[in-house]
Amino acid sequence: QKEVEQNSGPLSVPEGAIASLNCTYSDRGSQSFFWYRQYSGKSPELIMSIYSNGDKEDGRFTAQLNKASQYVSLLIRDSQPSDSATYLCAATGGGADGLTFGKGTHLIIQP
Amino acid sequence: DAGVIQSPRHEVTEMGQEVTLRCKPISGHDYLFWYRQTMMRGLELLIYFNNNVPIDDSGMPEDRFSAKMPNASFSTLKIQPSEPRDSAVYFCASSLGTGKETQYFGPGTRLLVL
Repeated sequence: QKEVEQNSGPLSVPEGAIASLNCTYSDRGSQSFFWYRQYSGKSPELIMSIYSNGDKEDGRFTAQLNKASQYVSLLIRDSQPSDSATYLCAATGGGADGLTFGKGTHLIIQP
Repeated sequence: DAGVIQSPRHEVTEMGQEVTLRCKPISGHDYLFWYRQTMMRGLELLIYFNNNVPIDDSGMPEDRFSAKMPNASFSTLKIQPSEPRDSAVYFCASSLGTGKETQYFGPGTRLLVL
């Protein structure tokens, strides 16, 4: 059974600070990892994807992957109130495979 | 460019009734996914298609659920008979492939079974 685990939160971060979201996965065969953001009542939208060990930066967002530890993280710098949402971590294997999602971390950015 | 289209957006029905959810993927995408989201279980993959062919339906909860994709631009998810525990948000997503390809989600259908 493939599993992706996330702390459900809520995680409360002051505006302007760094928000750190974490995720672990059970399937060592997982090769691609994604962070989706979901606002209340809306559909998930892709924020970042990462496939190789190390860091990947895109604007205020940095994704980090450590396959040895089966650990994925998302850092949000200069957090804004508009970043308040649920962040879903997802993983997939290398072949024809759907996404396995964590239950999400609810992030609150306090003005 | 239109995204993934789902209908209806909201559905309220009574236990035992048949429910049909519809999805139109993004044009040119050859993968289509059906997910269900609940507070308890999160976002779960139910079934996905490649070029209109079902590839993996291991997430379909039971025989009351069925999905079809008669052509590249249309898919249905049917629940017959519906039960209160089927209440959830059902998302359709499409992509150009699996693995590294981004999945684009539709707005979802919020289903309530009374």
